[in-house]
Amino acid sequence: AQRVTQPEKLLSVFKGAPVELKCNYSYSGSPELFWYVQYSRQRLQLLLRHISRESIKGFTADLNKGETSFHLKKPFAQEEDSAMYYCALRVTDKLIFGTGTRLQVFP
Amino acid sequence: GAGVSQTPSNKVTEKGKYVELRCDPISGHTALYWYRQSLGQGPEFLIYFQGTGAADDSGLPNDRFFAVRPEGSVSTLKIQRTERGDSAVYLCASSLSTVTGELFFGEGSRLTVL
Repeated sequence: AQRVTQPEKLLSVFKGAPVELKCNYSYSGSPELFWYVQYSRQRLQLLLRHISRESIKGFTADLNKGETSFHLKKPFAQEEDSAMYYCALRVTDKLIFGTGTRLQVFP
Repeated sequence: GAGVSQTPSNKVTEKGKYVELRCDPISGHTALYWYRQSLGQGPEFLIYFQGTGAADDSGLPNDRFFAVRPEGSVSTLKIQRTERGDSAVYLCASSLSTVTGELFFGEGSRLTVL
């Protein structure tokens, strides 16, 4: 079955510390993975997709097929990074989301 | 408007009542999705439209849930005989193309069933 697992509900760090939000997936086909973010009082929006291999707001994510993971990383967290982060897997034309991780960055 | 618009933003109803939730997608977006998000959970897929037709309705939990998109733009999610377990935020998203995987979400309709 297709599944996205985000094991941490909450991740708290201090400003300037490195951040890694974990995401594991289960999918029999060739995976396409995404990270979506929801800032306070804002809509859910796309942060990055693995196909683009891009860095957005200092965040990167590498698809590791061997470990079936797509962890989101940032070397130096900022207070404005505080938000809910959802990992998502494309299954045909829809996205399956994980349960999300709340990132809190303290000053 | 520039973004996906959902109405109402909040709906409180009594168990057993009928509810309609409306979604107005971004102009020109042919793909439209409905998700449901319960407290502490991620968005759960309900149904996806490509144009006027439901391309995938595998996420609808039972036959009390139904959605339409008669003219390929605005969509309505309809819930009959509501139950307390239907309480959630119902999210609508639209996409210009299913290829990119980028969904543009609305702010959601919060449904509370008493």
